[in-house]
Amino acid sequence: IAGITQAPTSQILAAGRRMTLRCTQDMRHNAMYWYRQDLGLGLRLIHYSNTAGTTGKGEVPDGYSVSRANTDDFPLTLASAVPSQTSVYFCASSPGLAGGETQYFGPGTRLLVL
Amino acid sequence: GQNIDQPTEMTATEGAIVQINCTYQTSGFNGLFWYQQHAGEAPTFLSYNVLDGLEEKGRFSSFLSRSKGYSYLLLKELQMKDSASYLCAVRNSNYQLIWGAGTKLIIKP
Repeated sequence: IAGITQAPTSQILAAGRRMTLRCTQDMRHNAMYWYRQDLGLGLRLIHYSNTAGTTGKGEVPDGYSVSRANTDDFPLTLASAVPSQTSVYFCASSPGLAGGETQYFGPGTRLLVL
Repeated sequence: GQNIDQPTEMTATEGAIVQINCTYQTSGFNGLFWYQQHAGEAPTFLSYNVLDGLEEKGRFSSFLSRSKGYSYLLLKELQMKDSASYLCAVRNSNYQLIWGAGTKLIIKP
């Protein structure tokens, strides 16, 4: 593994189903993030984690949950998918929060909810 | 509210120079980032400004004026591979990144 990986690459999901998007990083970064990207809109933060064991809500957290049991993994769960959750989901990580630390992005998961 | 504005789309010619502007209104300021995103791919980091002035990095430069809430990304000697979306993002007082919708840059031969 090099950098950040996400799985699956893409998924078609029936509305009402539960789905977990996986994200793993091997850079030992403290902070991790989940964004969604929709056409015509900027990346919007769903949830974040400053360090293992802690999580926080971003701009659009409703319908999503996360956990951070260890440094490397940061799964995103849709408890009961709805069509408005159709989007491209990016996981990102950074060494920390303060200063000029950049965020490094995974390749994304393209989710279609029908 | 918090807002990042940048043009939706720009067109430029190979070998030329293009300037992509970004204006912002956020709750606090802890730095401004520019990212490049090719179609179907993840954003990748280009530049970071936290103090006023120009930061130069090869063919790419980024400028910041905090008093005006304004930044631009300058791309010189444009190449076809520069065709991409360019995303402006501001880190606010909560250290969260607020993102613009991106500027799609089309390079013509």
